[in-house]
Amino acid sequence: GAGVSQTPSNKVTEKGKYVELRCDPISGHTALYWYRQSLGQGPEFLIYFQGTGAADDSGLPNDRFFAVRPEGSVSTLKIQRTERGDSAVYLCASRAQEDTEAFFGQGTRLTVV
Amino acid sequence: LAKTTQPISMDSYEGQEVNITCSHNNIATNDYITWYQQFPSQGPRFIIQGYKTKVTNEVASLFIPADRKSSTLSLPRVSLSDTAVYYCLVCPGNTPLVFGKGTRLSVIA
Repeated sequence: GAGVSQTPSNKVTEKGKYVELRCDPISGHTALYWYRQSLGQGPEFLIYFQGTGAADDSGLPNDRFFAVRPEGSVSTLKIQRTERGDSAVYLCASRAQEDTEAFFGQGTRLTVV
Repeated sequence: LAKTTQPISMDSYEGQEVNITCSHNNIATNDYITWYQQFPSQGPRFIIQGYKTKVTNEVASLFIPADRKSSTLSLPRVSLSDTAVYYCLVCPGNTPLVFGKGTRLSVIA
């Protein structure tokens, strides 16, 4: 595709439920990042993939959050036992190489009720 | 990672030049300076990147003094559509981008 695609664009879930957020990076981009953004704040880094492996997962807030990228392309961010505090916009970005510009998707707005 | 400090908000009239300065006193030798723009309900978008001196593209200019402890993003003749949040990032190329709170620019007619 022309850009980074994230689905769904909006997700409303009940507290305690499990959710999956999907990111389709730009074709050929080896680096993929997940961020979380709350209202009025800058994007907060969660996890970074280089190919299929998580090169840096230091931003994941706790073990309820997990992400995979099994074939080095599409990535899924998984949140277990969602809490109201998980409500935010989840952004995905990809880069051709580590030192090139990052391209962001439109984000998934997650609302936990 | 180098900490950045930039104004929380700025206002400007249409047609004016806007300069947003970012301080990064503890910038490292291998750090690049990068600026991103974010509109509401969209992901950030790359504007410009530099290492030292001046960089110019079709959208903006980036001025970096010799000591690299600060940088200034210059937007020529802003329009209403330039209203956005602008983020200054300082990090080496091989690490994830780290965002601060950014500068909220409001362009007034």
